[in-house]
Amino acid sequence: EIVLTQSPGTLSLSPGEGATLSCRASQSLTRNYLAWFQQKPGQPPRLLIHDVSIRATGIPDRFSGSGSGTDFTLTISTLEPEDFAVYYCQQYGSSVLTFGPGTKVDF
Amino acid sequence: EVQLVESGGGLVQPGGPLRLSCAASGFTLSTYWMHWVRQAPGQGPVWVSRIKPDGTYTTYADSVKGRFTISRDNAKNTLSLQMNSLRAEDTAVYYCARGPSGYPDSWGQGTLVTVSS
Repeated sequence: EIVLTQSPGTLSLSPGEGATLSCRASQSLTRNYLAWFQQKPGQPPRLLIHDVSIRATGIPDRFSGSGSGTDFTLTISTLEPEDFAVYYCQQYGSSVLTFGPGTKVDF
Repeated sequence: EVQLVESGGGLVQPGGPLRLSCAASGFTLSTYWMHWVRQAPGQGPVWVSRIKPDGTYTTYADSVKGRFTISRDNAKNTLSLQMNSLRAEDTAVYYCARGPSGYPDSWGQGTLVTVSS
């Protein structure tokens, strides 16, 4: 099973600032199969990015993904009030899919 | 609009069975992979299982293999998860989600399963 670790656990920022979230895999991902999700309290996760850097339908371009191999990054260029949430990475490079533990972005 | 509505959650005793269902609408179920993902209170999501569009291929997390069975009825637009030999650690909100094969791109609101005596 591929284990994902995310850092930091919590990111304390203010609206208008930028955010950089890290996700590290325990082994290199096949074809960079990595997605990012956003979750707000009481809601299911929402897909933001798949295949490392492809934004899902309707996701604003202030969200971007990058990385390869074992190290991946989600960048939020300028935080809007609605972006304060928990962010999870998820790999699909193996037959067993796994999520990271999450990074909470708060202020 | 894609809609996924889970049902069947509730309180069940350890060792008991429970069957979850998911009603799909707003898209052609037979062309999508489907997933079950669970989330324990205060924890991150954990992928449970997925099934190929035609139902011929399934995969499971190690923690549920041999106890849970995913299935689908494309004609009735439904996805199911049969859960047997339930344990306290299976307590979670269970989400039905639409794929591609690798990741869920649309999620239901979830149904709560509580395993307790």
